Amino acid sequence: NAGVTQTPKFRVLKTGQSMTLLCAQDMNHEYMYWYRQDPGMGLRLIHYSVGEGTTAKGEVPDGYNVSRLKKQNFLLGLESAAPSQTSVYFCASRSTENTGELFFGEGSRLTVL
Amino acid sequence: GQQVMQIPQYQHVQEGEDFTTYCNSSTTLSNIQWYKQRPGGHPVFLIQLVKSGEVKKQKRLTFQFGEAKKNSSLHITATQTTDVGTYFCAGLLHMLTFGGGTRLMVKP
Repeated sequence: NAGVTQTPKFRVLKTGQSMTLLCAQDMNHEYMYWYRQDPGMGLRLIHYSVGEGTTAKGEVPDGYNVSRLKKQNFLLGLESAAPSQTSVYFCASRSTENTGELFFGEGSRLTVL
Repeated sequence: GQQVMQIPQYQHVQEGEDFTTYCNSSTTLSNIQWYKQRPGGHPVFLIQLVKSGEVKKQKRLTFQFGEAKKNSSLHITATQTTDVGTYFCAGLLHMLTFGGGTRLMVKP
């Protein structure tokens, strides 16, 4: 039981390049989230999904797109990377049963040059 | 929009001293959660508080939710080096909003 797995863990991009971060969870959770973490700013929600085939914008969605084609996977895409998107990205999931506890992946560190 | 503020941003303590971090919301919350993130790690859930005035304890950690459900605190008694990390509160209204975190450093 791996929990929440993110790939890749590290990536360096040049400005304008595109990439996709993959999040996979094996806990049969309905809800999945993508956050970015920057120093002193906590975790800011980019996009989230309340079930397969559905996505919604969070607090900082600009420059990102997401897809949830399968319940266990939540993809975060950057179509044209910018230096401002240099950050650590965390995926999280939770079931609809509530404690509301979020289970986080180990993070993906992205640097945009 | 909903804002969750957390203070202090950093705290250095001597091992054995107590530590407290405070969380304040601009709006009344449905519940509040606390997470711990070790250096280089990912956030790990500690606890959720739901009721007005609720107090919960986990060993040396005491969590409180204010009467107005707009503030919360985490208090650690007699800190240990294993307590090092960043502590985040996260308040739920329409969505979960994280505070900026308090980074705790413990000198042995």
